[in-house]
Amino acid sequence: AQSVTQLDSHVSVSEGTPVLLRCNYSSSYSPSLFWYVQHPNKGLQLLLKYTSAATLVKGINGFEAEFKKSETSFHLTKPSAHMSDAAEYFCVVSDDGTGFQKLVFGTGTRLLVSP
Amino acid sequence: NAGVTQTPKFQVLKTGQSMTLQCAQDMNHEYMSWYRQDPGMGLRLIHYSVGAGITDQGEVPNGYNVSRSTTEDFPLRLLSAAPSQTSVYFCASRRVDGNTGELFFGEGSRLTVL
Repeated sequence: AQSVTQLDSHVSVSEGTPVLLRCNYSSSYSPSLFWYVQHPNKGLQLLLKYTSAATLVKGINGFEAEFKKSETSFHLTKPSAHMSDAAEYFCVVSDDGTGFQKLVFGTGTRLLVSP
Repeated sequence: NAGVTQTPKFQVLKTGQSMTLQCAQDMNHEYMSWYRQDPGMGLRLIHYSVGAGITDQGEVPNGYNVSRSTTEDFPLRLLSAAPSQTSVYFCASRRVDGNTGELFFGEGSRLTVL
């Protein structure tokens, strides 16, 4: 069975410093992995996705993530945090090929950005 | 573009009352779904549909009904609300043909059951 673990419930950074949000997954097959962002009182929006192409995936707003099969990880990074990055981030795994019928969401990481 | 529209945004119910959460999308997406979001638990799938007339259960379907009479609309019904159904509900849609896996979410409906 597939599962995803977001290792930090909260991450605090200062504006201009790097961001690292950690995600580990468990999957029986070749997984597809996604990161979604949820700003306060808004719906979730796709940041980026990995679907067995390049292992380093670039997304919107300067975020990127690297798929590491040996470490079963898909950590989200950004070189320099901006105040507008403050939000909740969800790591999502799907291991049913291209059907994407079974998505498992992580419990979320809240990113706090201070001036 | 309106995208996925959910109504109401907020609702307070008493135990045992019924209500319907509305969801409409204007992207001609075949797939529509309902999730609930609870603190520390991420999002969990309640029901989903891959087209008009077709619905199926997700991970936590008990206490909820759905129907899909049109491509655009996918209402979620609570027949007899319980305090355990206090949550934030999200409707999401995507394509089936040419599916990229990306879900498009509404802004959520916050439900409190007293």
